[in-house]
Amino acid sequence: QIQLVQSGPELKKPGESVKISCKASGYTFTDYAMHWVKQAPGKGLKWMGWINTYTGKPTYADDFKGRFVFSLEASASTANLQISNLKNEDTATYFCARVSGGYWGQGVMVTVSS
Amino acid sequence: DIQMTQSPSLLSASVGDRVTINCKASQNINKYLNWYQQKLGEAPKLLIYNTNNLQTGIPSRFSGSGSGTDYTLTISSLQPEDFGTYFCFQHNSWPLTFGSGTKLEIK
Repeated sequence: QIQLVQSGPELKKPGESVKISCKASGYTFTDYAMHWVKQAPGKGLKWMGWINTYTGKPTYADDFKGRFVFSLEASASTANLQISNLKNEDTATYFCARVSGGYWGQGVMVTVSS
Repeated sequence: DIQMTQSPSLLSASVGDRVTINCKASQNINKYLNWYQQKLGEAPKLLIYNTNNLQTGIPSRFSGSGSGTDYTLTISSLQPEDFGTYFCFQHNSWPLTFGSGTKLEIK
């Protein structure tokens, strides 16, 4: 069956970096784009962008340009999200999602606190 | 950017009620509209894709309709397990955007 399994929760200090992984299984990884979605505590969903899993080209929503990097380990069917220079407002759950078909990872809670 | 205005933000209804949730796009989204249900601590679950297509495994009491800028999710007979927050999501134009959510409470 199709699954997206994300890495575990992270506790970071402001200014640090974090890398979140999303491992796909049950389908051909390079056939479908991978999207990233942010959900701050108690808030709604915000689309961050997507990565073309065939070419590796990322596309970022405006609010996520600069400190956010989408990457792939295609041989491992894994998409990654790296956030650098973390700020308190980056505290959120981050989901990977295959929009086509409605498959989502379980989410990764990233807490940024001094 | 396309803004998705979702209403109501909070909805309290009884088991058996017919419930509707609305999303209005700031421009035509050509029926590229999905509906998700999210429960606390879980990932969103796809209910309806492209306006009116029921996702596999979703009960038939859920349905979607709409066109142009106006879209509706209907639950024909509310069940206790339908509590949660519902989001619309347009995937017609970049950047993709979500509605602000409707919290559905069961009376």
